[in-house]
Amino acid sequence: KAGVTQTPRYLIKTRGQQVTLSCSPISGHRSVSWYQQTPGQGLQFLFEYFSETQRNKGNFPGRFSGRQFSNSRSEMNVSTLELGDSALYLCASSGGQTTDTQYFGPGTRLTVL
Amino acid sequence: AQSVTQPDIHITVSEGASLELRCNYSYGATPYLFWYVQSPGQGLQLLLKYFSGDTLVQGIKGFEAEFKRSQSSFNLRKPSVHWSDAAEYFCAVGAQGFQKLVFGTGTRLLVSP
Repeated sequence: KAGVTQTPRYLIKTRGQQVTLSCSPISGHRSVSWYQQTPGQGLQFLFEYFSETQRNKGNFPGRFSGRQFSNSRSEMNVSTLELGDSALYLCASSGGQTTDTQYFGPGTRLTVL
Repeated sequence: AQSVTQPDIHITVSEGASLELRCNYSYGATPYLFWYVQSPGQGLQLLLKYFSGDTLVQGIKGFEAEFKRSQSSFNLRKPSVHWSDAAEYFCAVGAQGFQKLVFGTGTRLLVSP
């Protein structure tokens, strides 16, 4: 099976802009979670989607949002970018025979200038 | 609240020597425990997981981990380290049916020749 894919892999934006990141889960997985990884804060949970519904949410401002489509693909959006949003954004999927195990994609490296 | 502590930020091991990475967790109920590895610029790869049963679990790449409830620990071990094991290792805790993982701050493994 193909793994979790994320596009784009690298992104450069300026402050105030918005950005959309995409994640395609492993075939058959219905849960998609998003994490932010920074040197200062480490790995932090953003939110999780299951069957097009947000099921869990981390402690991030409302500028961070997401959605999931009927084919389980997910997008996350960050509006009004700040310098501190520069991070590696990781997507993980779970489901099938391994509902409690998350498999991660390669991440999208976002740089905000 | 769930939390994970990885007390060692960096560890240097000679190639061929044994390795033990420490992980302590805090969680009120029965934890689901994971070890992931991350190479520079990459996503997280699952090494092994513990849900229940035998407290010594085997993973990929020759890694194993032992769950000790009395010590709230889930230490990762490998009998003989290879240069390709140099990477950052993350311990994480989750729960059944709940897709939010809480990660430790990671341990960077350096392998000397």
